[in-house]
Amino acid sequence: GAGVSQSPRYKVAKRGQDVALRCDPISGHVSLFWYQQALGQGPEFLTYFQNEAQLDKSGLPSDRFFAERPEGSVSTLKIQRTQQEDSAVYLCASSQGGTDSNYGYTFGSGTRLTVV
Amino acid sequence: GQQLNQSPQSMFIQEGEDVSMNCTSSSIFNTWLWYKQDPGEGPVLLIALYKAGELTSNGRLTAQFGITRKDSFLNISASIPSDVGIYFCAGRGTSGTYKYIFGTGTRLKVLA
Repeated sequence: GAGVSQSPRYKVAKRGQDVALRCDPISGHVSLFWYQQALGQGPEFLTYFQNEAQLDKSGLPSDRFFAERPEGSVSTLKIQRTQQEDSAVYLCASSQGGTDSNYGYTFGSGTRLTVV
Repeated sequence: GQQLNQSPQSMFIQEGEDVSMNCTSSSIFNTWLWYKQDPGEGPVLLIALYKAGELTSNGRLTAQFGITRKDSFLNISASIPSDVGIYFCAGRGTSGTYKYIFGTGTRLKVLA
């Protein structure tokens, strides 16, 4: 596609509910990133995929967070048993190159998750 | 998590004025990026810098890669109302490091 597409744009979840956030990167982009942006803060790294391989998940806050990109294109970020502190905007970004690339990211519009 | 320090945190300026903001890091970076984020949207890449001392322009925007490699600067000349938004810097270390660390943001408001 022309840009990075994320869905849903907004999600309200009851505490304890599981949620799944989808990211459709730019076609052909090798790298895919998930970032979490709390209110009033800059984006913080969660996890990185190069094609279908998850090379880094060091930023995932807990084992309730899980991400996958099974065919090297669409990615899903899943949060189990959501907590109020999970409320944030979840941004997906893709990049043309791999780990040795200097390309900047193209971000999607994000999914705003509110846990009530 | 780690975030870069941006200054100022926010600023109100009159339309037509020039704006300067900066970003500092405790680590040396090989790449600096500047993004702008509008409400409800993802950050949009404005300028990328790849070499210490590099000065790069994009229209009314000019950014510089600090010679210490621990800082970067963004200038906006002759600001207009649509410059309103949050500006983020992002830095990346040695080659092969794929993740960017983002700054805390500078919120710009332009008074017509």
